[in-house]
Amino acid sequence: GENVEQHPSTLSVQEGDSAVIKCTYSDSASNYFPWYKQELGKRPQLIIDIRSNVGEKKDQRIAVTLNKTAKHFSLHITETQPEDSAVYFCAARGGGTSYGKLTFGQGTILTVHP
Amino acid sequence: DVKVTQSSRYLVKRTGEKVFLECVQDMDHENMFWYRQDPGLGLRLIYFSYDVKMKEKGDIPEGYSVSREKKERFSLILESASTNQTSMYLCASMPNYGYTFGSGTRLTVV
Repeated sequence: GENVEQHPSTLSVQEGDSAVIKCTYSDSASNYFPWYKQELGKRPQLIIDIRSNVGEKKDQRIAVTLNKTAKHFSLHITETQPEDSAVYFCAARGGGTSYGKLTFGQGTILTVHP
Repeated sequence: DVKVTQSSRYLVKRTGEKVFLECVQDMDHENMFWYRQDPGLGLRLIYFSYDVKMKEKGDIPEGYSVSREKKERFSLILESASTNQTSMYLCASMPNYGYTFGSGTRLTVV
């Protein structure tokens, strides 16, 4: 089955800096890659996603890039703010008859210091 | 907005008890999922269902079963709770490509 590795496990930045979180996946047939943000005590929320036919997608301060050849994708947050502090999860949806199931990375705890 | 409701935020159960975790979605979605979340391990798939009475094992189904008698409701059952099942349990429904998660049930088995 699909395997997703996420790095780093913790990331500490100063307000205004950029943050990058990277994920690799194993199933070359995977076709959908979402990112979730989970604030303390809350449910994970989808913040951005990308499909396998696109190399990059941007939404204001966040962007996701996908390299299908290398089987990795990354989340980029620019001009970080304290409210960006949260746990971030990447995920991948395998090909074939997956019924939409996602395999998640281990999570990255992002701390943005004012 | 899709609503996914988990009936309990916190549960404390004794070892050996049978435990039911309930999840209800309000948008007639076919696909529903149960994950457990543990620090450093991310979210791991326990079971999922793609239609009423249809279920598939995920990556860590041992010690769990599920029930989907109605489309809106997907239940996770711990047949005989053990301390290593202490965790956060998250239910999800799939409106299109991404998931909508419930608020989670933090289960402690003592």
